[in-house]
Amino acid sequence: AQSVTQLDSHVSVSEGTPVLLRCNYSSSYSPSLFWYVQHPNKGLQLLLKYTSAATLVKGINGFEAEFKKSETSFHLTKPSAHMSDAAEYFCVVSHNAGNNRKLIWGLGTSLAVNP
Amino acid sequence: DAGVIQSPRHEVTEMGQEVTLRCKPISGHNSLFWYRQTMMRGLELLIYFNNNVPIDDSGMPEDRFSAKMPNASFSTLKIQPSEPRDSAVYFCASTPSGRINQPQHFGDGTRLSIL
Repeated sequence: AQSVTQLDSHVSVSEGTPVLLRCNYSSSYSPSLFWYVQHPNKGLQLLLKYTSAATLVKGINGFEAEFKKSETSFHLTKPSAHMSDAAEYFCVVSHNAGNNRKLIWGLGTSLAVNP
Repeated sequence: DAGVIQSPRHEVTEMGQEVTLRCKPISGHNSLFWYRQTMMRGLELLIYFNNNVPIDDSGMPEDRFSAKMPNASFSTLKIQPSEPRDSAVYFCASTPSGRINQPQHFGDGTRLSIL
């Protein structure tokens, strides 16, 4: 069965320092993986997605993520945090087996950026 | 371009009352999703439509919840009668087609409080 685990519920970094948000997944098939961001009182916005092409995926706002099949991970990184990056981040895996098509959402990681 | 539009943005009502949430997907998008977000359970898919037809409603909590999509540009999620445990943020999202690995475009949500 598909599942996704975001290893940290809260991450706090200083402005200008690197960001690492961790995500591990479980999938019986070749998954598609996504990261979404949710700013306060807003809907979710796609940051980036992996769909079996290049394992290093670049997204919007300077974020990127690397698909590592051997580690079943899809961690989100950014070299230098900005205050506007403070938000909730969700890792998502798609389930493509037969007629059962669903997205499996992680519980989210809250990112705080300190001045 | 207009994104996914949800109304109302906020709803506060008393237990037992009927609640209707509305969604207008992005023009040309053929798939529409209703989600519920709470602190305890995170983001849960309630139901999704493809070409106005409900495809998977296994996430609908119980018979008090119903969703309709009478045409390609409008959908409703109704709760009757409402209960305090229904308090959550409800999101609508749309995609160009029913392919599960396409990015979903979210509205800003309806924050529902049942007293």
